[in-house]
Amino acid sequence: NAGVTQTPKFQVLKTGQSMTLQCAQDMNHNSMYWYRQDPGMGLRLIYYSASEGTTDKGEVPNGYNVSRLNKREFSLRLESAAPSQTSVYFCASLGGAYNSPLHFGNGTRLTVT
Amino acid sequence: LAKTTQPISMDSYEGQEVNITCSHNNIATNDYITWYQQFPSQGPRFIIQGYKTKVTNEVASLFIPADRKSSTLSLPRVSLSDTAVYYCLVGDPTTSGTYKYIFGTGTRLKVLA
Repeated sequence: NAGVTQTPKFQVLKTGQSMTLQCAQDMNHNSMYWYRQDPGMGLRLIYYSASEGTTDKGEVPNGYNVSRLNKREFSLRLESAAPSQTSVYFCASLGGAYNSPLHFGNGTRLTVT
Repeated sequence: LAKTTQPISMDSYEGQEVNITCSHNNIATNDYITWYQQFPSQGPRFIIQGYKTKVTNEVASLFIPADRKSSTLSLPRVSLSDTAVYYCLVGDPTTSGTYKYIFGTGTRLKVLA
């Protein structure tokens, strides 16, 4: 059981470039989340998805788009990367029961120069 | 909005018991309180979860008073490897049928030799 898998692990972009961060979970979870974490700071919610085909904005959605094309995968896209988006990005998933905890991936470290 | 408040940092010595208290005044009726541990360059890792009274597992105990507006994570006999950031988390129910999880600042625990 891999849990939550994020790719790539590291990425360097130039300002204005675009890229998609991939996240996949194999736990048959309904809900998925994208967070960013800046150095020395807590995690901030970018977008979340309650189920396939639905997405909602979190605390800091500007500059990002997401896609939940199927139950397993939830991708995060930066259309025009900015240095302020340099961060570590974490994906998480959540089962359907009231007492289900979040399961996190190992993160993607993104640097925008 | 379910917001959590914790002390920013704590120091302790090896072998001591550490108690970290979290305030969550607006917790939803059906929501559980979940605590996570995060090491540098890793995603948060589930430690313990509870709804009310006391929960104990192999690594920690969680104390929740009857009004559920706060909770206390207790780490018995900490070691250097317990140096990490600890987050308590409660969810906001959403109209899309899931919970939205907003992280607070967390508590940075430093264990000294």
